[in-house]
Amino acid sequence: ILNVEQSPQSLHVQEGDSTNFTCSFPSSNFYALHWYRWETAKSPEALFVMTLNGDEKKKGRISATLNTKEGYSYLYIKGSQPEDSATYLCAFSTDSWGKLQFGAGTQVVVTP
Amino acid sequence: GAGVSQTPSNKVTEKGKYVELRCDPISGHTALYWYRQSLGQGPEFLIYFQGTGAADDSGLPNDRFFAVRPEGSVSTLKIQRTERGDSAVYLCASSARGGTYYEQYFGPGTRLTVT
Repeated sequence: ILNVEQSPQSLHVQEGDSTNFTCSFPSSNFYALHWYRWETAKSPEALFVMTLNGDEKKKGRISATLNTKEGYSYLYIKGSQPEDSATYLCAFSTDSWGKLQFGAGTQVVVTP
Repeated sequence: GAGVSQTPSNKVTEKGKYVELRCDPISGHTALYWYRQSLGQGPEFLIYFQGTGAADDSGLPNDRFFAVRPEGSVSTLKIQRTERGDSAVYLCASSARGGTYYEQYFGPGTRLTVT
């Protein structure tokens, strides 16, 4: 994989259901993998930064895992709520200061 | 404290015109980044400043795009002879030293529409 890819492109989830989606990234020159949540008309909000293979991070009902050897990360949302509706972006970096390479995002819509 | 701010929030301009987009980073952040998001794509890196100097401008698409950060704080992205393909959301982010990773904090973006 040469670029950051996210799947699916969009998800419709019923309130209360759990869901997950994927980010694939180049496994060479890995430094960190980021997850952002971006709600319409707001700033992208950082959720997690993960640097080590096997990292698992959790923030409330949202968690993420990282596999740097095979180049993928999963984001999980447990018990989805309407306020979880947003576009979730992952981004890959090859050093501590430099540019982020973003995927196209997974748009999540949670319906009551 | 105050986050990253960007002005204007929306800009509509005619093809061929010149535009300036402004970014006010978080106070004390030494690094500043510009990205743009075109419809259906993820944000794409344009340029990164460390202090007043451009540390990496490899993402600027052509010489119509230029960015400055003269005092190491506020940055302006300048686009000459705008084209319809420049229509996008332009995002700015800033970052400061802390721990082992320098997290980027984003502003809300400027939506540029070229008609």
